[in-house]
Amino acid sequence: GNSVTQMEGPVTLSEEAFLTINCTYTATGYPSLFWYVQYPGEGLQLLLKATKADDKGSNKGFEATYRKETTSFHLEKGSVQVSDSAVYFCALTPPGSGTSYGKLTFGQGTILTVHP
Amino acid sequence: DAGVIQSPRHEVTEMGQEVTLRCKPISGHDYLFWYRQTMMRGLELLIYFNNNVPIDDSGMPEDRFSAKMPNASFSTLKIQPSEPRDSAVYFCASSLGGTEYFGPGTRLTVT
Repeated sequence: GNSVTQMEGPVTLSEEAFLTINCTYTATGYPSLFWYVQYPGEGLQLLLKATKADDKGSNKGFEATYRKETTSFHLEKGSVQVSDSAVYFCALTPPGSGTSYGKLTFGQGTILTVHP
Repeated sequence: DAGVIQSPRHEVTEMGQEVTLRCKPISGHDYLFWYRQTMMRGLELLIYFNNNVPIDDSGMPEDRFSAKMPNASFSTLKIQPSEPRDSAVYFCASSLGGTEYFGPGTRLTVT
């Protein structure tokens, strides 16, 4: 079956540090890949996504590249801010979901804390 | 767009009571999902609907849980009777075109 594995947290960084949160997946074919962010007390928000190999999703200074050869979708940001403190979830939907629904499979989430 | 709307945001109830959680999806979205989030189990998909029809309820933990979607703009998740182990944050999400948008959640505490 499909699965998503994220690096274990929590991750603690100082402001302006470089961030990487690793995500690898198991799925047949070419799933769509997502990063969601959950700020304290809120629901999950879509941060970025990529739907085919070598696509790069980007938003709010965050980036992730769909790497089929390593089945990875690592999240990166060059300079984190205190306001980036949140829980980050990597997720996938099965190949062929396209414009229809594919059941989201989530990783376990990674807690990020950024100190001033 | 107002996004996915959930009510109430917080609910505290006593064991044995009936609890009803409400969700208004984003207008035009054709899928609606109910999730539960706990520290122990993370995010769990409970049930989802397509065009108001329940498609997969295999994640519903037991018969005490039921969900309805009487029209395209409203859904409910009911727990009857509630138990302390039901305490969690319940999220509703909707989607069109394969990307899900989550509501702010309902934090349920059963004492």
